[in-house]
Amino acid sequence: AQSVAQPEDQVNVAEGNPLTVKCTYSVSGNPYLFWYVQYPNRGLQFLLKYITGDNLVKGSYGFEAEFNKSQTSFHLKKPSALVSDSALYFCAVRGSNDYKLSFGAGTTVTVRA
Amino acid sequence: GAVVSQHPSRVICKSGTSVKIECRSLDFQATTMFWYRQFPKKSLMLMATSNEGSKATYEQGVEKDKFLINHASLTLSTLTVTSAHPEDSSFYICSARGGREAEAFFGQGTRLTVV
Repeated sequence: AQSVAQPEDQVNVAEGNPLTVKCTYSVSGNPYLFWYVQYPNRGLQFLLKYITGDNLVKGSYGFEAEFNKSQTSFHLKKPSALVSDSALYFCAVRGSNDYKLSFGAGTTVTVRA
Repeated sequence: GAVVSQHPSRVICKSGTSVKIECRSLDFQATTMFWYRQFPKKSLMLMATSNEGSKATYEQGVEKDKFLINHASLTLSTLTVTSAHPEDSSFYICSARGGREAEAFFGQGTRLTVV
């Protein structure tokens, strides 16, 4: 079975400070890892993915994530957060032979001005 | 990225009636579509997976007779909530993937309120 853990329900940072949203996963075989962002009453927007290759993945809106196989982690980062980054963030994983995504519980990010 | 359009964005219906939600992939052929339900401040719960031209595969605990899913073409899937009740009120989200793309793309979601 595959699963995702997002240990923090909420992350609060000041605008301009670095932002990190944590994610660890469990899956059989090679992981396909994703980050999505959700604004109120909206669907999920794709931010970035790791399939293979460089462990540091760059995505939309200045976000990046680092795949760490030994720690089974895929933390989302942004060097300088904006107030507009305030939203709900989901980490997701699937196996290479499975199309079903497993989502973490989500982390609410609040960036204060 | 690819665009998935979901309609309607909001719907209010009376208890006992049926509601249909559409999910369209606008610029790619969706071989697989997924339907999720999301409760307030909660993660997404996968309801069912549908492949074009075949019956949907429902997750455990999801009533297939209540949540009818049709995936009649490579660009359209529909979810019909039959005989809706207030407990069916929720945010429903579809996603679609196609071809060699690894990621799924999500619709805007539908806020269903049953009164």
